[in-house]
Amino acid sequence: GDSVTQMEGPVTLSEEAFLTINCTYTATGYPSLFWYVQYPGEGLQLLLKATKADDKGSNKGFEATYRKETTSFHLEKGSVQVSDSAVYFCALSSYYSGGGADGLTFGKGTHLIIQP
Amino acid sequence: GAVVSQHPSWVICKSGTSVKIECRSLDFQATTMFWYRQFPKQSLMLMATSNEGSKATYEQGVEKDKFLINHASLTLSTLTVTSAHPEDSSFYICSAAPGRISYEQYFGPGTRLTVT
Repeated sequence: GDSVTQMEGPVTLSEEAFLTINCTYTATGYPSLFWYVQYPGEGLQLLLKATKADDKGSNKGFEATYRKETTSFHLEKGSVQVSDSAVYFCALSSYYSGGGADGLTFGKGTHLIIQP
Repeated sequence: GAVVSQHPSWVICKSGTSVKIECRSLDFQATTMFWYRQFPKQSLMLMATSNEGSKATYEQGVEKDKFLINHASLTLSTLTVTSAHPEDSSFYICSAAPGRISYEQYFGPGTRLTVT
């Protein structure tokens, strides 16, 4: 079955540091890949997405490139801020049903802590 | 826009009792709603998918008689944990999708269930 593996946390960085959160996946076919973010007390929010190989998703300074050859979708940001502190989830969708929205397969989440 | 609420945010119940969790899409109609379960330091695991007016589709290993899902309207889905036991203690998260695009699903803040 499908699976997503992402680096364990917590990850603690100083403000303005460079961020990488690794994510690799196993899936049948050609999945779509996502990063979700969860701020304290809130629901998961879609941060960025990539629906085919070599696509780069980007939002709020975060980027991730869909690498089919390495089955990876690593999240990066050049200069993190305290407000980026949250839990980040890598996820995929394999479009099994074809008839409607499908549930997502998630990684375990990475807790990111940015210190001033 | 695209807000999903869950009620209650946390609940404590005694072993053997049943508890109902509500998931509402507040400003859109949800063609599909999903229920996920999250254990500490684990990923979100899809439990079931429900479409309004239809029976829910459960993932392998999820007991449909224990986790009753009712998607009675386009804005409300309920998850009832029947005859709860301590091992059912977990964080339950719902999401709602307005259409057929899997990444366009909006997540509720989750419900913490503790069974004593």
